[in-house]
Amino acid sequence: GQQVMQIPQYQHVQEGEDFTTYCNSSTTLSNIQWYKQRPGGHPVFLIQLVKSGEVKKQKRLTFQFGEAKKNSSLHITATQTTDVGTYFCAGPRGGSYKLIFGSGTRLLVRP
Amino acid sequence: DTAVSQTPKYLVTQMGNDKSIKCEQNLGHDTMYWYKQDSKKFLKIMFSYNNKELIINETVPNRFSPKSPDKAHLNLHINSLELGDSAVYFCASRHTGVAYNEQFFGPGTRLTVL
Repeated sequence: GQQVMQIPQYQHVQEGEDFTTYCNSSTTLSNIQWYKQRPGGHPVFLIQLVKSGEVKKQKRLTFQFGEAKKNSSLHITATQTTDVGTYFCAGPRGGSYKLIFGSGTRLLVRP
Repeated sequence: DTAVSQTPKYLVTQMGNDKSIKCEQNLGHDTMYWYKQDSKKFLKIMFSYNNKELIINETVPNRFSPKSPDKAHLNLHINSLELGDSAVYFCASRHTGVAYNEQFFGPGTRLTVL
């Protein structure tokens, strides 16, 4: 079945360093979404990418969707302690109702 | 105003008991979901309802039974609780047929089975 994998599983950085998480799907995706879950919290939608090769920015966060629409990345420039949390990518399977979530990347930031 | 709410927030119970978790959304969405998040943070979809109709039913033990009395509510009843059922259960909702497919999650219910 369709799988969505993320690497790395964990990333521990010093505040001010950059961070990147990568997402790979076993199948082509019509779109990909990114969510952030703070410790003890719930997943919160960050962004959706639809077009092949699409790049979107939200302040220090840069999201990319691969040309083949099978991979994606999230890059955070100059991390801050407020960036701590688990970042998930998610892609629809089959029809649009079902989202398959990636395994998540947990980001820890040392102040 | 809370968009997606769940009750209870915490649930501690003994093995073999039956328990229910309730979810309500005030966003006017037509699709609701139940997810299970284990200790390793994997988010797995369990069920989904669209306009009160069950549309997704993953490989979940039949001890789990969802019910949607109306579009704004989706409850989850669990019979004969087992240790492995301990997890955080998230309810989520979305509106289909729009460009952005984002799902809105509830705060979660942390279930601990002793």
